[in-house]
Amino acid sequence: GQSLEQPSEVTAVEGAIVQINCTYQTSGFYGLSWYQQHDGGAPTFLSYNGLDGLEETGRFSSFLSRSDSYGYLLLQELQMKDSASYFCAVLGGYNKLIFGAGTRLAVHP
Amino acid sequence: GAVVSQHPSRVICKSGTSVKIECRSLDFQATTMFWYRQFPKQSLMLMATSNEGSKATYEQGVEKDKFLINHASLTLSTLTVTSAHPEDSSFYICSASPTLQDEQYFGPGTRLTVT
Repeated sequence: GQSLEQPSEVTAVEGAIVQINCTYQTSGFYGLSWYQQHDGGAPTFLSYNGLDGLEETGRFSSFLSRSDSYGYLLLQELQMKDSASYFCAVLGGYNKLIFGAGTRLAVHP
Repeated sequence: GAVVSQHPSRVICKSGTSVKIECRSLDFQATTMFWYRQFPKQSLMLMATSNEGSKATYEQGVEKDKFLINHASLTLSTLTVTSAHPEDSSFYICSASPTLQDEQYFGPGTRLTVT
């Protein structure tokens, strides 16, 4: 079977740092992606980790440890517009993405 | 670059009718397109993989006779929900990849409401 676990909700204040963890158990694994989705919108790509380590893209960073089947998304200098759902997704065979249940991030003033 | 469009963005249909949703890659050729379904406040669930010129591959539990997928060209895939029922009401999202090694580019989604 395939499963991804991530927290259902996270709350933070503007300017803070938030880490969203994701653990996975899948039959095939090529990498871990992160997507952002605002209510009513389509998912937008944030980052991808194919190898262990940290990938940094502006205020967002993502980390992967393949040996621990674990990754996280780190959001720094939070802004109100970062309030959204964040999904981790495992890239498996045939370029298939298997999504986690999503983490709803609420950023407060 | 890498823009994917969907049409329509919203559709309301009566129970028992069929609805066709189009997914187009506007500035690249997509050998593979994917169809997802997302219920409110839930995750994206992969329904099927659509390959140009061949039959779609459906995920376990997805009825291939109910969700007809056609990928007739390198820029267009269609999903037809046949004999729609209220429980088919959902957000349908497609994505497209130039090749199996490329990332997926997502369309804006189609919100289907079956009354």
